[in-house]
Amino acid sequence: DTGVSQDPRHKITKRGQNVTFRCDPISEHNRLYWYRQTLGQGPEFLTYFQNEAQLEKSRLLSDRFSAERPKGSFSTLEIQRTEQGDSAMYLCASSFMGKSYNEQFFGPGTRLTVL
Amino acid sequence: AQKITQTQPGMFVQEKEAVTLDCTYDTSDQSYGLFWYKQPSSGEMIFLIYQGSYDEQNATEGRYSLNFQKARKSANLVISASQLGDSAMYFCAMRSIIQGAQKLVFGQGTRLTINP
Repeated sequence: DTGVSQDPRHKITKRGQNVTFRCDPISEHNRLYWYRQTLGQGPEFLTYFQNEAQLEKSRLLSDRFSAERPKGSFSTLEIQRTEQGDSAMYLCASSFMGKSYNEQFFGPGTRLTVL
Repeated sequence: AQKITQTQPGMFVQEKEAVTLDCTYDTSDQSYGLFWYKQPSSGEMIFLIYQGSYDEQNATEGRYSLNFQKARKSANLVISASQLGDSAMYFCAMRSIIQGAQKLVFGQGTRLTINP
């Protein structure tokens, strides 16, 4: 399967713990995006990378959140000192710069539950 | 700021009927793109169809077509001959087409249920 993959698919943690999610984009895609989706809502943009450079961050991305894409391939999203409000589905997407409308391909998501 | 509004929280349709899912948008940008995604219960967002703001013809992809009315700022999705597998959440989204603007802005979605 050459689609976007995310790991883990589900994460349950206690409030105050740190969690890290991984996203592997489609291999030739140079852009990678993170979104957050809470129950009953559409996805909300968090941040995006072009190769290894983080080019845009949403105000939703508080100081407790950090994302990296060290070699322009996979990306990690870390949440420090988790809060119950962080419970959501975290979606990763990738796209290829140069395609006419830059369609974003999404992964299956990581569902985070903070107890 | 960009905003997408989907006013139908849920739609119920008989199998084989056509269905229209509404989407209106607000933007001050001259160049933008409109997308529809399907999200089954498994959670993965599946791209369905794209319409550029300067495209003169409505986009079509198989059973999906986009009824684009620029003056009304609407981009409704039409699914013809609905199938049971079409039951899912459907999201309308937009993106500004200016250099550096890459994020998608999504609506709240419409839950479509196809009845046999």
